[in-house]
Amino acid sequence: GAVVSQHPSRVICKSGTSVKIECRSLDFQATTMFWYRQFPKQSLMLMATSNEGSKATYEQGVEKDKFLINHASLTLSTLTVTSAHPEDSSFYICSAPDQKWNEKLFFGSGTQLSVL
Amino acid sequence: QQQVKQSPQSLIVQKGGISIINCAYENTAFDYFPWYQQFPGKGPALLIAIRPDVSEKKEGRFTISFNKSAKQFSLHIMDSQPGDSATYFCAATSGSRLTFGEGTQLTVNP
Repeated sequence: GAVVSQHPSRVICKSGTSVKIECRSLDFQATTMFWYRQFPKQSLMLMATSNEGSKATYEQGVEKDKFLINHASLTLSTLTVTSAHPEDSSFYICSAPDQKWNEKLFFGSGTQLSVL
Repeated sequence: QQQVKQSPQSLIVQKGGISIINCAYENTAFDYFPWYQQFPGKGPALLIAIRPDVSEKKEGRFTISFNKSAKQFSLHIMDSQPGDSATYFCAATSGSRLTFGEGTQLTVNP
């Protein structure tokens, strides 16, 4: 199957700093990618839909100025957590749809963000 | 509002037993129903999926049963193994927008 690579897998940062997470589709193109957030022992919650060449679409309650999304190419989307605070500590996961069957999603391995 | 309800929250099964996880949905626009398996610290991986025009789909030890009129679907894991211990999420899709269930923590005891 298709591979979605997410980097870094784990990051620890100080409160107030910004952190960038990368999501790459390795062997296919993705005009759309999705960013999720997952708290311990909870489900994945969709944060935003990243669209290549245009603005991201954010879910209700997600601060677009805090979670900056850039989808500059057909294989790369980035999520930047700006001015991170301890409450932003979470597991962030990206996904990209299959080119032929867009309801089939491939997920990255996730990024554990810990803000001190 | 949770559009996909999943139960049980946790499940303990003996090796060789059958694990059954149930889900119910509300939105009739959903047209694709995948199940994902997630190990700690990893992203979800697609396990098996079904479309609403099929009542059952089997892949190896994993079977989805789908009841369109009741808007319910379930995952059956036959001959459960300790390596199956993970969190399982049902989901429902309209287009590529995925709505997850709450998850089931499965533990298979040796």
